[in-house]
Amino acid sequence: GQSLEQPSEVTAVEGAIVQINCTYQTSGFYGLSWYQQHDGGAPTFLSYNALDGLEETGRFSSFLSRSDSYGYLLLQELQMKDSASYFCAVRDSTNAGKSTFGDGTTLTVKP
Amino acid sequence: DTAVSQTPKYLVTQMGNDKSIKCEQNLGHDTMYWYKQDSKKFLKIMFSYNNKELIINETVPNRFSPKSPDKAHLNLHINSLELGDSAVYFCASSQDRGNTGELFFGEGSRLTVL
Repeated sequence: GQSLEQPSEVTAVEGAIVQINCTYQTSGFYGLSWYQQHDGGAPTFLSYNALDGLEETGRFSSFLSRSDSYGYLLLQELQMKDSASYFCAVRDSTNAGKSTFGDGTTLTVKP
Repeated sequence: DTAVSQTPKYLVTQMGNDKSIKCEQNLGHDTMYWYKQDSKKFLKIMFSYNNKELIINETVPNRFSPKSPDKAHLNLHINSLELGDSAVYFCASSQDRGNTGELFFGEGSRLTVL
C-alpha cells in the first residue's frame, strides 16, 4: 500500500517563501504530483516529478528525492490567493498507475 | 467548454434512497476516476476505468457501482444511501493511466444524506 505524510497546516505572510514537505511509503513508485485546492473548488494540478531534482514553474517549484522517498513544494513570493489546501500524490507503479493523495496541507497567507 | 463536467453539483437526499452522479470528459482521455473527499478534506480514490475497463476498485461498499458506457463517460450509482456517504465526489480523467502525473478534476458533486 501507500502512505504519505505532509504537515496539516502552514502559515506565512505575503511575499514570503514557504516549503511544504511530503514523505511517502509505497510499494511501487512512478512519481510525485502536487495539487492545489481552494475551498469549494476542485483540485488542480501544479507539478509532477518522476525523476530526482527540482522542477520550476513560475513561482512554484517542486523537488523529489527518490532515494529519500521525499519531496517538497516551494511557493515563492506568496500572494493572498495562494491560501488553499495543497496535496501531494504518489503514482503507484504496482496498481494501474493509481494516484494516492496525502491528507493535504492548509496554507494560510496573511497580509 | 468544461473539460470534466459532473452532474448534479449538489444532491440532498434521505437515507435509504438510491442516487446517481454522472461525469463526462471532452479531453479525449482514456482513463477516468471517482474520488471521494470527506469533511476533513481527505481525498480517496474509489474506482478507475481505462477504456471502459475497471482497473482500480478500492475497498468500497458494494452499494457503490460505477459504470463506464464509453471512455468519455463514467457514472456512479449509490444504493441505500447512508449518512456516512455524505461527501464531495470528484470525477477525474487522465491520459494513459495518468502517465504524465496529471489528473483533471471535475468541479465535484456535493452529496448530503439526511
